[in-house]
Amino acid sequence: DSGVTQTPKHLITATGQRVTLRCSPRSGDLSVYWYQQSLDQGLQFLIQYYNGEERAKGNILERFSAQQFPDLHSELNLSSLELGDSALYFCASSVGAGGANTEAFFGQGTRLTVV
Amino acid sequence: GDSVTQMEGPVTLSEEAFLTINCTYTATGYPSLFWYVQYPGEGLQLLLKATKADDKGSNKGFEATYRKETTSFHLEKGSVQVSDSAVYFCALRSYSGGSNYKLTFGKGTLLTVNP
Repeated sequence: DSGVTQTPKHLITATGQRVTLRCSPRSGDLSVYWYQQSLDQGLQFLIQYYNGEERAKGNILERFSAQQFPDLHSELNLSSLELGDSALYFCASSVGAGGANTEAFFGQGTRLTVV
Repeated sequence: GDSVTQMEGPVTLSEEAFLTINCTYTATGYPSLFWYVQYPGEGLQLLLKATKADDKGSNKGFEATYRKETTSFHLEKGSVQVSDSAVYFCALRSYSGGSNYKLTFGKGTLLTVNP
């Protein structure tokens, strides 16, 4: 158990809908990262928050947004969903903002299926 | 930009066989290198890491050596077990400006070990 909790584990929704994925980082970790894992694209970095502020942005679509709350949990919001958004979404956390040797701890992921 | 290329799977071996999963990278500067493992139904776990050239990371019988001259970080294990069946990801963490670093993953290699 990594200590990173993601809910829900599975989510099935229709195209055009909006969903929210939730992540609770390990106790004491200030950084939260979101990744999308799909068969064709592999593991893609979406966005990072550090202590409530956006820190780094990757290949995140404009239809997607995230935030980190004062209690450090994070939510990833996906809207106007398309079939191609079906993927496994991982959250990871780390103590610091992400130095060269930082180890990130991953949650078990949320499997999103858009039908 | 930074990239990680690892051998495409799936890789199927018999128990006690020798394992090599190739990984090469492209990055500016001096990245840190990682191998992560994803067991079925779980999130990614750090398997081993190396932070500078010629460093050898090792864990659970797995080893990888940071080769700057060939920009490689190949994963090896002398005798695999059925319990090693998983997806293995090579990754690098590199400087992305300011005080930020980013983690870039390869596409993953599925390993199946048969008894």
